[in-house]
Amino acid sequence: EVQLVESGGGLVNPGGSLRLSCAASGFTFSVSTMAWVRQAPGKGLEWVSHIGSQSVYIYYADSVKGRFTVSRDNAKNSLYLQMNNLGAEDTAIYYCARAECTGSICRIFDYWGQGTLVTVSS
Amino acid sequence: EIVMTQSPATLSVSPGERATLSCRASQSISSNLAWYQQRPGQAPRLLIYGASTRASGLPARFSGSGSGTEFTLTISSLQSEDFAVYYCQQYNNWPLTFGQGTRLEIK
Repeated sequence: EVQLVESGGGLVNPGGSLRLSCAASGFTFSVSTMAWVRQAPGKGLEWVSHIGSQSVYIYYADSVKGRFTVSRDNAKNSLYLQMNNLGAEDTAIYYCARAECTGSICRIFDYWGQGTLVTVSS
Repeated sequence: EIVMTQSPATLSVSPGERATLSCRASQSISSNLAWYQQRPGQAPRLLIYGASTRASGLPARFSGSGSGTEFTLTISSLQSEDFAVYYCQQYNNWPLTFGQGTRLEIK
């Protein structure tokens, strides 16, 4: 059974930092493209970042570029999101998702974690 | 950035009836469109990709159609568990973008 379990969310002051983790199991993590998607309270879904299986290609939404860094440790089956200079607009549930491939495009989210809530407030 | 626009924002349908949800892209995305369902308090669930391919295990009452800029998700004979929020997502271009969602509620 595929499982994605996020952790590391919480309350942080504006301008602060937080590191999210996602523990993966039930599939071959080392060959899978992974992503972070967030959802502000009561709002829709927003793609945040994508990372290829070997970390060769990485993409970010413009809203987080320069502040967030995605990484992974294939030996630990783990995905990470380092978030710096956080603002109120970053308050959201952050989901870890596996990006399934159709042909050479790995941009469809077929498995999701339950999410971890990040609240940016003083 | 490709803007995805879903309509209507809220759709009220009776159980057993058919629901038709629409999604429009601001430019052509070929068939690179996915649909997700999100029930309250849960993570999204992949329903459809490639505009019309059902995800594994998805009941046949769910179907997707369209290409280019106009797409439709149809749910025939609505069941109680189908009342949720539905999102479309384009994956033709970076950044990946979602529609704002359609809330499907019981009439």
